[in-house]
Amino acid sequence: LAKTTQPISMDSYEGQEVNITCSHNNIATNDYITWYQQFPSQGPRFIIQGYKTKVTNEVASLFIPADRKSSTLSLPRVSLSDTAVYYCLVGESNYQLIWGAGTKLIIKP
Amino acid sequence: EADIYQTPRYLVIGTGKKITLECSQTMGHDKMYWYQQDPGMELHLIHYSYGVNSTEKGDLSSESTVSRIRTEHFPLTLESARPSHTSQYLCASSESGTGFTGELFFGEGSRLTVL
Repeated sequence: LAKTTQPISMDSYEGQEVNITCSHNNIATNDYITWYQQFPSQGPRFIIQGYKTKVTNEVASLFIPADRKSSTLSLPRVSLSDTAVYYCLVGESNYQLIWGAGTKLIIKP
Repeated sequence: EADIYQTPRYLVIGTGKKITLECSQTMGHDKMYWYQQDPGMELHLIHYSYGVNSTEKGDLSSESTVSRIRTEHFPLTLESARPSHTSQYLCASSESGTGFTGELFFGEGSRLTVL
């Protein structure tokens, strides 16, 4: 089961682009990379998922290099409401996912 | 918005009481999950289900039990609550699929305090 390593916390300012990098050196061939966002006293919310190269949706982009040993979540032009904990997960099935402590992102005005 | 509901949102109860945390989803998802999360800490999978009459234990040992008699309903029961059970319990569901893990849809959680 692949574990991930990501920064414990990050600060940024409104309007900036934020990039959160996650390391997953032991990722397996069938594993997907998934990011979730969690606000206090709520359940996590799915942000984006990818297998390789780049994935983009209406809220974020996910960059995955060819070796897949890391990934970067990019949040364009963040606002105060993006202050949350962000989790990077790798796995083939949801019941295999190992949830770390995530990255606590604080957006300042 | 995800259609997955947990009740109660908050519960304070005395040691030794039996409790049931309810979880229902209206999306027709086959797979459902229960996670335990202490404040500021990681989520731990305690139970999951592939479908009706299917239940499995997760990676974190738990004294709770679950049942899956209907697709939409996945209740969690503690026969005798203890202070060590104080935590937030999160229910989630996902579609059955191949080729990807499938997006997890979470409820808002049930925060349990055992005195």
